[in-house]
Amino acid sequence: EVQLVQSGAEVKKPGESLKISCAGSGYNFSTYWIAWVRQRPGEGLEWMGIIYPGDSDARYSPSFEGQVTFSVDQSINTAYLQWSSLKASDTAIYYCSRPTPPEKYYGPFHPWGQGTLVTVSS
Amino acid sequence: DIQMTQSPSSLSASVGDRVTITCRASEGISNYLAWYQQKPGKVPKLLIFSASTLQSGVPSRFSGSGSGTVFSLTISGLQPEDVATYYCQRFNTVPQTFGPGTKVEIK
Repeated sequence: EVQLVQSGAEVKKPGESLKISCAGSGYNFSTYWIAWVRQRPGEGLEWMGIIYPGDSDARYSPSFEGQVTFSVDQSINTAYLQWSSLKASDTAIYYCSRPTPPEKYYGPFHPWGQGTLVTVSS
Repeated sequence: DIQMTQSPSSLSASVGDRVTITCRASEGISNYLAWYQQKPGKVPKLLIFSASTLQSGVPSRFSGSGSGTVFSLTISGLQPEDVATYYCQRFNTVPQTFGPGTKVEIK
């Protein structure tokens, strides 16, 4: 079974750094892009960007470029989303997902991770 | 960037009703469109991809149509378990924008 399992909820203060994870299993992790999606409380889905584990090629939404960093560790089939300095406005659920065709990012997202709730508050 | 809009933003219908949600792209995207269902407090779930292909396991009362700039998601016979927010998403080029969502409730 193809699965994406994300790290647990985090509570941080403004200005702190954070790295959350998304572990893939049941498929060849290196050959499928991983996407990150933000959902603020009570709001819709926002596409943040994608990363290809095979070579770490990353594409960011203009809204998130410079605000977050994607990375991967192929040895443990895990993708990461990190912030160097969190803001209160980063409070949200963050989902990872997988564009479905291998080696291509232009595909629908399936499956989805369970989401990681990040709360940033002083 | 190509923008995605959805209408209506919310709707209330009776059990058994036929419900249609429209998604529009600001430029042509061929059939590179997906629909997702997100029930309250749950993870988004892929319903339809390539505008009209039903994802495995999704009930046949869900259907999708359209190409280019105008797309629709239809629920033929609304069920109580269909209460959710529905999002369209284009996936042809980056950024792979989501629509703002349509909230479906039971009257």
